[in-house]
Amino acid sequence: DAGVTQSPTHLIKTRGQQVTLRCSPKSGHDTVSWYQQALGQGPQFIFQYYEEEERQRGNFPDRFSGHQFPNYSSELNVNALLLGDSALYLCASSLTRQAGEKLFFGSGTQLSVL
Amino acid sequence: GESVGLHLPTLSVQEGDNSIINCAYSNSASDYFIWYKQESGKGPQFIIDIRSNMDKRQGQRVTVLLNKTVKHLSLQIAATQPGDSAVYFCAENLLGSARQLTFGSGTQLTVLP
Repeated sequence: DAGVTQSPTHLIKTRGQQVTLRCSPKSGHDTVSWYQQALGQGPQFIFQYYEEEERQRGNFPDRFSGHQFPNYSSELNVNALLLGDSALYLCASSLTRQAGEKLFFGSGTQLSVL
Repeated sequence: GESVGLHLPTLSVQEGDNSIINCAYSNSASDYFIWYKQESGKGPQFIIDIRSNMDKRQGQRVTVLLNKTVKHLSLQIAATQPGDSAVYFCAENLLGSARQLTFGSGTQLTVLP
């Protein structure tokens, strides 16, 4: 049973560029959440996708956008990259409507913006 | 303790001793709490959770205590092992808010031989 998989594992971009990160949820899960984790800090919620729609959003600018596909996989897009966007981007999956649903995290994509 | 910038609170314990990691949460309306373990190069791994209608929950070698009066959460690890070395995060959530977790700043646990 595959867990949450993310690609790529590492990425280097320059300021102003755009980036797309990908996530496949754990088998059987239908909900994907994205988190940003700066060095030495806890993850911060970006947004969550369910039924191919953004269900909740954290305090992130519109430069951060996402998508969920019919197979429940998801993409995170960041436009006009800033140096401060350098972080570990984590994808987490869960099963909505399951009592006590737990989040399962992937290993993340390490994004460096130069 | 509080973390400032890149500085994580740290806790060092001898192998075999018990560890206690503390966390202060921010939202008095939070009703679900989780502890995660994060090893270097990996994503957070679920350890144990507790709902606000409980004050204690036990798992294998771990116990979570919840004090809603002072908004405090603790994780106790019994007989700490070298494999327990990691960063530990507490997270809070409002049930019904679709698992939008708010994470604390984390504590670096180092197990000494």
